[in-house]
Amino acid sequence: GNSVTQMEGPVTLSEEAFLTINCTYTATGYPSLFWYVQYPGEGLQLLLKATKADDKGSNKGFEATYRKETTSFHLEKGSVQVSDSAVYFCALSDRASGTYKYIFGTGTRLKVLA
Amino acid sequence: DVKVTQSSRYLVKRTGEKVFLECVQDMDHENMFWYRQDPGLGLRLIYFSYDVKMKEKGDIPEGYSVSREKKERFSLILESASTNQTSMYLCASTPPLAGGPIYNEQFFGPGTRLTVL
Repeated sequence: GNSVTQMEGPVTLSEEAFLTINCTYTATGYPSLFWYVQYPGEGLQLLLKATKADDKGSNKGFEATYRKETTSFHLEKGSVQVSDSAVYFCALSDRASGTYKYIFGTGTRLKVLA
Repeated sequence: DVKVTQSSRYLVKRTGEKVFLECVQDMDHENMFWYRQDPGLGLRLIYFSYDVKMKEKGDIPEGYSVSREKKERFSLILESASTNQTSMYLCASTPPLAGGPIYNEQFFGPGTRLTVL
């Protein structure tokens, strides 16, 4: 079945450091891939998405490239800020599954220190 | 802006009580979802609905039921609450898209943190 695996946290970085959060997936079809962010006390909100191989999603300085050959969708940011402290979820949705279900990873907590 | 609201941010109930969690979205979305979020387990799908009065089981439906009498409202029901249902519950919705909503983002509510004593 479909699944998403992302690196365990917490990840602690100093402000202006480079961020990578790894995400790999397994899917039977051609999934769309997403990164969601959850700030403290809030629900999840979409950060970026990519719907086909080699697409790059980007938003707020974050980027992720859909790599079909390595089944990966790693999240990167060149210079993190304290305000980026949150939990990040990788997710997929697969048309071939024939349902409207999304599969989420377990989440990676990021803490950025000033 | 799409808004998804949940009836309570925090809820404390006793074992055996019947619990209702309400979710309302204001953007005429066809599809609505209930998840629970637990540390180390991420989000797990309980139930979803793609139309009024339609529902499908997710990955962990045991001990839960749902109701979708109106398009904007999707209720999660814990028939007899147990301590292992203590969790954060998240509601989400997506608009329709040709071929299904699977490429759309999910819009989430703020969550209800439920404690069952």
